[in-house]
Amino acid sequence: QVQLVDSGGGVVQPGTSLRLSCAASGFIFSYQAMHWVRQAPGKGLEWLAGISYDGANEGYADSVKGRFTISRDNSKNTLYLQMNSLRTEDTAVYYCARETHRRLDSWGQGTLVTVSS
Amino acid sequence: DIQLTQSPSFLSASVGDRVTITCRASQGVRNYLAWYQQKPGRAPKLLIYDVSTLQSGVPSRISGSGSGTEFTLTISSLQPEDFATYYCQQLNTYPWMFGQGTKVEIK
Repeated sequence: QVQLVDSGGGVVQPGTSLRLSCAASGFIFSYQAMHWVRQAPGKGLEWLAGISYDGANEGYADSVKGRFTISRDNSKNTLYLQMNSLRTEDTAVYYCARETHRRLDSWGQGTLVTVSS
Repeated sequence: DIQLTQSPSFLSASVGDRVTITCRASQGVRNYLAWYQQKPGRAPKLLIYDVSTLQSGVPSRISGSGSGTEFTLTISSLQPEDFATYYCQQLNTYPWMFGQGTKVEIK
């Protein structure tokens, strides 16, 4: 069955960097676009970034453009989110999600990122 | 960017009630509109995609409709497991925004 396992979260100081990972299994990873979505404590869902199946195309939310980079390694069945210049407002649970024909049909369990001094 | 406005933000209802949630887009999204359910501490779950297509395994009491810029999620007879927060999302144009959410609570 489809499984997405998010990892890499933790407590970091403002201005620092962190890289999240999403390990995929149970489907042909290299065939499908992938996305990152986050949820700040007590808040709604925020789409952050998406990447095409081959990594050739990316899209970002305005709130993270220029600071966050989505990437993938199809040989390792892994999706990444490189987060630089972290701010306190980036504190959230971060989810990876698989896209199937314009819908996010499978989600990871989420990894918590806390940005605090 | 395409903005999505859900209404209401909060809804109190009883088991067996018919519930309707509306999602309005600031511009057309073609048919690329999805609905998700989220329970506390859990990842979101896809319910509806392409405005009205039910995701596999989702009960038929849940349905979606609409076109252009106005869309609706309906639960025909609310069940205990339906008490959750619901989000719409447009997948037509980056950034793929979500609505702000509608929390459905037990009356």
